Amino acid sequence: AQSVTQPDIHITVSEGASLELRCNYSYGATPYLFWYVQSPGQGLQLLLKYFSGDTLVQGIKGFEAEFKRSQSSFNLRKPSVHWSDAAEYFCAVGPSNTGNQFYFGTGTSLTVIP
Amino acid sequence: GAVVSQHPSRVICKSGTSVKIECRSLDFQATTMFWYRQFPKQSLMLMATSNEGSKATYEQGVEKDKFLINHASLTLSTLTVTSAHPEDSSFYICSAEGGSNSYNEQFFGPGTRLTVL
Repeated sequence: AQSVTQPDIHITVSEGASLELRCNYSYGATPYLFWYVQSPGQGLQLLLKYFSGDTLVQGIKGFEAEFKRSQSSFNLRKPSVHWSDAAEYFCAVGPSNTGNQFYFGTGTSLTVIP
Repeated sequence: GAVVSQHPSRVICKSGTSVKIECRSLDFQATTMFWYRQFPKQSLMLMATSNEGSKATYEQGVEKDKFLINHASLTLSTLTVTSAHPEDSSFYICSAEGGSNSYNEQFFGPGTRLTVL
């Protein structure tokens, strides 16, 4: 069955520090992978996506993610975090073999301290 | 492009009433739309897949008679929460599938906060 795991429920980093959010997936075929960000009370904003090709994907707001098939991972990174990056981050995999359903991880809440 | 809107953004209703939430794809046609539910501090859970002109497909555990979905056009899907109760209070998010790529992406609406008193 398809699933997505985000091991870190909550992460706190200092502004200017680097960031890595972990995502592991279980999927029977070549996955399409996504990272979304959600500010409080808001919808989802797509940060980046991986379909195929170069395993290092660049996204908006200075984020990047690397697809590692051998580790079934798609970790999100940012070299220098800004206070405005504080939000909830969701990793997702899709589509499924039975449709275009997305499977979301449980999310990682990011706090940025001055 | 690829904007999805939801209306209302926030609604408060009394227990026992019905609430309709609209999801619109503003600049593209969406054959398929999805409805998600999100509890505080939790992830999105898919409730149902809505296909234009046909019945929605509900995920296991979702009551189709309680959460009525209508996808009457290629740009509009509605979710009606019938006889709402406090436990139905949640953040409801829709997404619409669209795009010219071989893989149709999902574009998410801003969500609707439902509070049932």
